[in-house]
Amino acid sequence: AQSVTQLGSHVSVSEGALVLLRCNYSSSVPPYLFWYVQYPNQGLQLLLKYTSAATLVKGINGFEAEFKKSETSFHLTKPSAHMSDAAEYFCAISSGGSQGNLIFGKGTKLSVKP
Amino acid sequence: DAGITQSPRHKVTETGTPVTLRCHQTENHRYMYWYRQDPGHGLRLIHYSYGVKDTDKGEVSDGYSVSRSKTEDFLLTLESATSSQTSVYFCAISEESGAIWEKLFFGSGTQLSVL
Repeated sequence: AQSVTQLGSHVSVSEGALVLLRCNYSSSVPPYLFWYVQYPNQGLQLLLKYTSAATLVKGINGFEAEFKKSETSFHLTKPSAHMSDAAEYFCAISSGGSQGNLIFGKGTKLSVKP
Repeated sequence: DAGITQSPRHKVTETGTPVTLRCHQTENHRYMYWYRQDPGHGLRLIHYSYGVKDTDKGEVSDGYSVSRSKTEDFLLTLESATSSQTSVYFCAISEESGAIWEKLFFGSGTQLSVL
């Protein structure tokens, strides 16, 4: 069975500070990993995805994530937080295949202080 | 933005009544999904469809049924709503290629309250 664990349900940073949102995974097969973002009162949007190509994945809005097999991690980072980054972020995992489905973590709410 | 419309956007109902939520897409994507979102649980898959009349259960399917008679519409029915089904429900679709991991597009959600 596959799973993801997001460490910290709420993270608060100052504007301009580094954003680090943690995600660890468990999978018996090579995983596909994703980060989604949800702004208030909206559905989820894909930020970035890892599908076994480059281990450092760049996404939208300046976010990136690095796949580290040895640490079973896929942490999301952004060098400098903006107020507009305040949202909830979800890590997700899939085993791939046409009928596989995504398993989501419980989410991390990011607050950005001026 | 992907053309996904969920209706209604908000609904309040009473325990024991049937409720149907509708997801309509204009993208002609093969795969459609219903998720529920609850605080502290993230998103959990209720049911999904991989074609007209082809559906399967997800992680939390008890108390829910679905139907897909047309490519563009995926209906979620709560036969007899319970308070534990108070949640935000999201519909999602994925590319025609059928590779779920390619990208999911989400609707704006339906807030359902069961009193």
